Amino acid sequence: NAGVTQTPKFQVLKTGQSMTLQCAQDMNHNSMYWYRQDPGMGLRLIYYSASEGTTDKGEVPNGYNVSRLNKREFSLRLESAAPSQTSVYFCATRAVSGSETQYFGPGTRLLVL
Amino acid sequence: KNEVEQSPQNLTAQEGEFITINCSYSVGISALHWLQQHPGGGIVSLFMLSSGKKKHGRLIATINIQEKHSSLHITASHPRDSAVYICAVRQNSGGSNYKLTFGKGTLLTVNP
Repeated sequence: NAGVTQTPKFQVLKTGQSMTLQCAQDMNHNSMYWYRQDPGMGLRLIYYSASEGTTDKGEVPNGYNVSRLNKREFSLRLESAAPSQTSVYFCATRAVSGSETQYFGPGTRLLVL
Repeated sequence: KNEVEQSPQNLTAQEGEFITINCSYSVGISALHWLQQHPGGGIVSLFMLSSGKKKHGRLIATINIQEKHSSLHITASHPRDSAVYICAVRQNSGGSNYKLTFGKGTLLTVNP
């Protein structure tokens, strides 16, 4: 089992370009999350999906959109990238209700010039 | 003021030392998590606590709900324990959404 996978691992964008970060899981988990991690700050929640077909904003949603394509996949889209979106992005999943543990993907390092 | 504060920010120890990392929070919580982020960036969950104490190998996590404080202890530390240790809480107001609020992390370096 691959667990939680993210693509790409690393990306360089120019200001104004768009891109989609992909996350996929093979653990049959219901909930999925997108976080960003910046130096000197804790992980911050961008968007989450409690179950297939639902998405909700987290702490820092501005400039991002998400799609829960199916139970396995949760994508994060930057429509017009800005230097402030330079960060490391982590996808995480959580199993069915009653379980608190989140399982993290390896991260995507994004640099916006 | 951050809702989750960790101390120290950085910690350097010699192999074999007993290590303590602290986490204080200012909100009512349903659960507290300790996570480990390896130098390569991967994040793994170590513990989830809602009361008392948990132990896994050389790692021990404790929580005092009244004092809003948790500690992560590492006994007989080893260079492979070098990582960033992150505290996170699920607030009481989080409902069923299981959203976590994270501390900034403690960078632990264990020298041989």
